[in-house]
Amino acid sequence: AQKITQTQPGMFVQEKEAVTLDCTYDTSDPSYGLFWYKQPSSGEMIFLIYQGSYDQQNATEGRYSLNFQKARKSANLVISASQLGDSAMYFCAMIRSGSARQLTFGSGTQLTVLP
Amino acid sequence: GAGVSQTPSNKVTEKGKYVELRCDPISGHTALYWYRQSLGQGPEFLIYFQGTGAADDSGLPNDRFFAVRPEGSVSTLKIQRTERGDSAVYLCASSLTAGGETQYFGPGTRLLVL
Repeated sequence: AQKITQTQPGMFVQEKEAVTLDCTYDTSDPSYGLFWYKQPSSGEMIFLIYQGSYDQQNATEGRYSLNFQKARKSANLVISASQLGDSAMYFCAMIRSGSARQLTFGSGTQLTVLP
Repeated sequence: GAGVSQTPSNKVTEKGKYVELRCDPISGHTALYWYRQSLGQGPEFLIYFQGTGAADDSGLPNDRFFAVRPEGSVSTLKIQRTERGDSAVYLCASSLTAGGETQYFGPGTRLLVL
């Protein structure tokens, strides 16, 4: 069974500063993928970044980067230069390889960016 | 291009009634997924389709829940004899194939069972 753990129910960051959102995972699969999604108060899940388990380099997408430490089974999201519009719920999720294509989500971290 | 759309955006019904929730995936996406998100939690998988067939329905909580995708595009999630515990946001997502590509989500349908 797969499990995603997000231990920070809420985080605060000052505008323009960087913030790290933690995510650890548990799986016995040799091949898997890790995602981060943003969910604003409007409710829609917005894809941010993806990391494959065999990718050699950490993924980056604009101000988002994923700090992937395979041995520690962690996939932390780093947001640089925080903006007020970054205030939202952030979910870490995992997908298995093979026939099971569903995402397993963590419980989320509510990020608030302070002006 | 248009993203995933879901209708209705909100649905209020009474306990015991039947409801249908609709999902229109991104054009050309062959894989379609349904998730349910309860308040304060992450989404939980219900069912996924590859084309017209349900490839995995292991997340459906019981036989009151059923989903179809007859033409391989639009999908309908059907809930019979609704219960108050069915109240949640029902999210639909689609991906180009089921080969690990990113799943893109719709805005969800907020279901409230009174």
